[in-house]
Amino acid sequence: GAGVSQSPRYKVAKRGQDVALRCDPISGHVSLFWYQQALGQGPEFLTYFQNEAQLDKSGLPSDRFFAERPEGSVSTLKIQRTQQEDSAVYLCASSLTLIRPTGELFFGEGSRLTVL
Amino acid sequence: DQQVKQNSPSLSVQEGRISILNCDYTNSMFDYFLWYKKYPAEGPTFLISISSIKDKNEDGRFTVFLNKSAKHLSLHIVPSQPGDSAVYFCAASDGAGANNLFFGTGTRLTVIP
Repeated sequence: GAGVSQSPRYKVAKRGQDVALRCDPISGHVSLFWYQQALGQGPEFLTYFQNEAQLDKSGLPSDRFFAERPEGSVSTLKIQRTQQEDSAVYLCASSLTLIRPTGELFFGEGSRLTVL
Repeated sequence: DQQVKQNSPSLSVQEGRISILNCDYTNSMFDYFLWYKKYPAEGPTFLISISSIKDKNEDGRFTVFLNKSAKHLSLHIVPSQPGDSAVYFCAASDGAGANNLFFGTGTRLTVIP
């Protein structure tokens, strides 16, 4: 498809399990973002890639969270030893260039993670 | 510390009337503002944006107003249509953090036919 694709759409994990969430951005988009959206909240920034370079990971909540984009296209967000507070929708977004001047991020449908 | 605030979690409006969604921010470094619309089970989609050098930007039925002195922006939808029913997120970025958007908690708009 032409949009940002995320998989899996839904993931249930037992506490302590590792999970991997995949994002296929729009072809040719340079910038890729991961956001975390807890229930009833707005999306919160996790990390940003420009091509394969991870330029900002200031939003990652702990060292259990790791993201990569090795070839500047597909990205994976990995969460190790999941905890209940990790339960959220994880949104991936891509942009042709930087956020500005267009300001438009294209979001995927999200991966809903539930940690039991 | 929520830097972008949407204090109304929900809003109901009759079809054909005006919908006004409000957003306040605390960071005076924010200089670019966006509105996103989100339907259930979908990702947010970009709706309209405004730079801090402007106080108004219009796109069809959607107009965003920015009041920098009050650190307030609003989205006006006229006339409202049932298909506008969605959650609307306000977002902002600052000059230094072009790679990050700060989102509000969203306002659920319901347009009643």
